[in-house]
This record gives sequence, structure tokens and C-alpha cells, in this order.
Amino acid sequence: AQTIHQWPVAEIKAVGSPLSLGCTIKGKSSPNLYWYWQATGGTLQQLFYSITVGQVESVVQLNLSASRPKDDQFILSTEKLLLSHSGFYLCAWSPGTGIAETLYFGSGTRLTVL
Amino acid sequence: AQSVTQPDARVTVSEGASLQLRCKYSYSGTPYLFWYVQYPRQGLQLLLKYYSGDPVVQGVNGFEAEFIKSNSSFHLRKASVHWSDSAVYFCAVSAYNNNAPRFGAGTKLSVKP
Repeated sequence: AQTIHQWPVAEIKAVGSPLSLGCTIKGKSSPNLYWYWQATGGTLQQLFYSITVGQVESVVQLNLSASRPKDDQFILSTEKLLLSHSGFYLCAWSPGTGIAETLYFGSGTRLTVL
Repeated sequence: AQSVTQPDARVTVSEGASLQLRCKYSYSGTPYLFWYVQYPRQGLQLLLKYYSGDPVVQGVNGFEAEFIKSNSSFHLRKASVHWSDSAVYFCAVSAYNNNAPRFGAGTKLSVKP
């Protein structure tokens, strides 16, 4: 069975500090990977997606960047956090086989920027 | 581009009552439609999806949804809700060859005992 693990579970960071969030997918080769951001009480905003190692497409950057260094790993980062970065970050994967794919979400990372 | 509207930000129902959560989509092509549920402090889980065939689709935990093309709607229904159904429900739509769906704003469901 496939599993998705996100880390850390929660972070409290200062404005201007760097950030790195990650997720790992086990049990599925070559998945499509996604980063979503959810403001408190808000909808999901897709940030990035990747269909293969080393390739990441930006949907909305929000002064963040993403990388896929390995087939099963997706990293979200920034060098300087803003207050507006606070929220809930969700990583997801889909099989990459075509139409109407189900997204499988991680448990998320709660980020508070002070 | 596709988009989704969930007109009800919050819905409160009594346990045992029936439920309908509304979803309207906008897309000129053939839509692929989803309902996801998010329990507190968790990621989203798929409830059901529609991409062809019978317009009424069955999902997990007794949920179903009906695709009505003429109305551009994909409302979620349940005959009898349980307190454990309290969660945020998201409707989503994707286009052909677009793997990432566009989500609505979500509807927070509260079930009163």
C-alpha cells in the first residue's frame, strides 16, 4: 500500500527566517506530486506540481519554491518567510495515469509565522 | 479554465437528518468532478468522483452525488447524517488531461446530536 508522510507536523517560525517542508511517498513509483496551501478556514490553493524528478511547475508562487530531488520526495521551501505564509500546507500525490485522478493527501504541516 | 462554487460556507443539521451540500462548477468541456472531506487537522480524503456513466455516483459512508449537466451542478447528499460526519467538504473539478483539480471554498458541516 502507498503511504505519504509529511514533515514537520507543525512549525512556528519568525518572519524572515528560512523554511523547508517535505513529503515522501512510499509504495508508488513515478507519482505526480502536488503542494497545496490552505489559509486558516480557507480553500485550497495549488502551489506547485511535478510529474517527474527534477521538474516542477509553478501554479502560484507566493514567494515559495519547490523541488523534487528524488522520485518519492517533494520539498517546499523559502529563504525568507512572510506573515502571509502562515497556514496549512498539504502535499498530495496522484498515480499519474491520466484522467480524473484521485489525489491522496498527507496529513499536512501547520505553519505559523510570527 | 474550470472553477467551482460552493455557496454555503457553513451547514448545520441534526443527527439523523438528510443532507445536501451544493456545488456548481464552471467548465466548457467535459468536467471530472470530485467530493473530498477534511476532518480537523487532517488532509483531504476522497468521498466520490464522477467522470462518465451513471450521473448518480455512490461514495464512502453512504454519501452520493448527482451530476446534472444542464444545471452545472454536482450536489452531495446523504440520507441520514451522523455526528462523525462533521467536517469540511470540498467539491473539485478537473479538465481532461489536467491532473490537478480546482477546489471550491469548502462547506463546513456541523452535525448536532
